[in-house]
Amino acid sequence: GAGVSQSPSNKVTEKGKDVELRCDPISGHTALYWYRQSLGQGLEFLIYFQGNSAPDKSGLPSDRFSAERTGGSVSTLTIQRTQQEDSAVYLCASRKVDRPQETQYFGPGTRLLVL
Amino acid sequence: LAKTTQPISMDSYEGQEVNITCSHNNIATNDYITWYQQFPSQGPRFIIQGYKTKVTNEVASLFIPADRKSSTLSLPRVSLSDTAVYYCLVGPRGENQAGTALIFGKGTTLSVSS
Repeated sequence: GAGVSQSPSNKVTEKGKDVELRCDPISGHTALYWYRQSLGQGLEFLIYFQGNSAPDKSGLPSDRFSAERTGGSVSTLTIQRTQQEDSAVYLCASRKVDRPQETQYFGPGTRLLVL
Repeated sequence: LAKTTQPISMDSYEGQEVNITCSHNNIATNDYITWYQQFPSQGPRFIIQGYKTKVTNEVASLFIPADRKSSTLSLPRVSLSDTAVYYCLVGPRGENQAGTALIFGKGTTLSVSS
């Protein structure tokens, strides 16, 4: 079946511009996560959605970062006034709410480069 | 969540068995040990999970000693395609647990050569 998809796969932007990253989770997966992975680093948690609500936003690094989810499906991560340190791979994962924590399915990521 | 320590990198040759050990001295009673695999340009992929003793699936085996303060991921007869980063995670597992995110360290980069 279809996995988690993300778009765009690559994004190059200029410092100060806004970017939107999209995640399409697996159908029926109500839990959705955003992570960030900088070069050579582990994954950094950003935000978690259960349905359309975000009970855990603790990982968002600044108020320039925001995310929303509509219809319990697609999620958009928005970074305003991008900075060079925002350059990273942004990964999305989803899971069925009734499955144990470990069964998160990851998308291929969006590679963001801020010049 | 318990902190984990694993080697930064390992090298191997095709056909060899590879064992990657993860230390988790502060593991809690209700914590499980989970390993993920990440290929270049892909998101992580769940490969195995265990609580104690030994777990085996079609991909790997996981050995956990009685004190559970460490665990060893064993990959039999590796091939070039097993070159990846392997992450050890320790945390609670529960059907009704709130959606706590997975905590990934830097993992172990395994390089397999011919």
